[in-house]
Amino acid sequence: KQEVTQIPAALSVPEGENLVLNCSFTDSAIYNLQWFRQDPGKGLTSLLLIQSSQREQTSGRLNASLDKSSGRSTLYIAASQPGDSATYLCAVRNTGGFKTIFGAGTRLFVKA
Amino acid sequence: NAGVTQTPKFQVLKTGQSMTLQCAQDMNHNSMYWYRQDPGMGLRLIYYSASEGTTDKGEVPNGYNVSRLNKREFSLRLESAAPSQTSVYFCASSEYAGVYGYTFGSGTRLTVV
Repeated sequence: KQEVTQIPAALSVPEGENLVLNCSFTDSAIYNLQWFRQDPGKGLTSLLLIQSSQREQTSGRLNASLDKSSGRSTLYIAASQPGDSATYLCAVRNTGGFKTIFGAGTRLFVKA
Repeated sequence: NAGVTQTPKFQVLKTGQSMTLQCAQDMNHNSMYWYRQDPGMGLRLIYYSASEGTTDKGEVPNGYNVSRLNKREFSLRLESAAPSQTSVYFCASSEYAGVYGYTFGSGTRLTVV
């Protein structure tokens, strides 16, 4: 059974710092992995989608990597800003069926 | 703007009442999903529809029913609401089976008293 873990559950950093959010999964038979951002009281906004054949994806200040063999993905945020404060979730789509498992998220607070 | 639209955004129900949550997408996606999000538990799949005309149970289907009305619309019904169904409900869609990722609606915050 696929399990997705995000550590830490919460993170507070000063503005301007580069930071890494972690997502680990137990079953390497994945189709893709997607990173989302969720602002308080809002829905999920897709940030990056990495297919299983890819190693990384980049969008602006965000870079997501995928290492299936170790069951890990990281979301790198460069030069963090207060506007980056939100909860970040990763979601793993397994190869069999329609199963997508979500992590519980990392709540990020960037201090001005 | 293209995307997934959910109604209502907020709802308070009394125990035993029924209601239907509506979801529509205008991206011509084949697959649609209903999730619930509870503190500390992440998102859990209630029901999904792989394509028009099909629906299947997810992880937590008890107490819910769904209808895939057409390719655009997928509704979630609570026949007899219970306090345990207090949650935030999200509808999502994908081109097919999540192989190209998901698009989420803004959510419905439901409180059952």
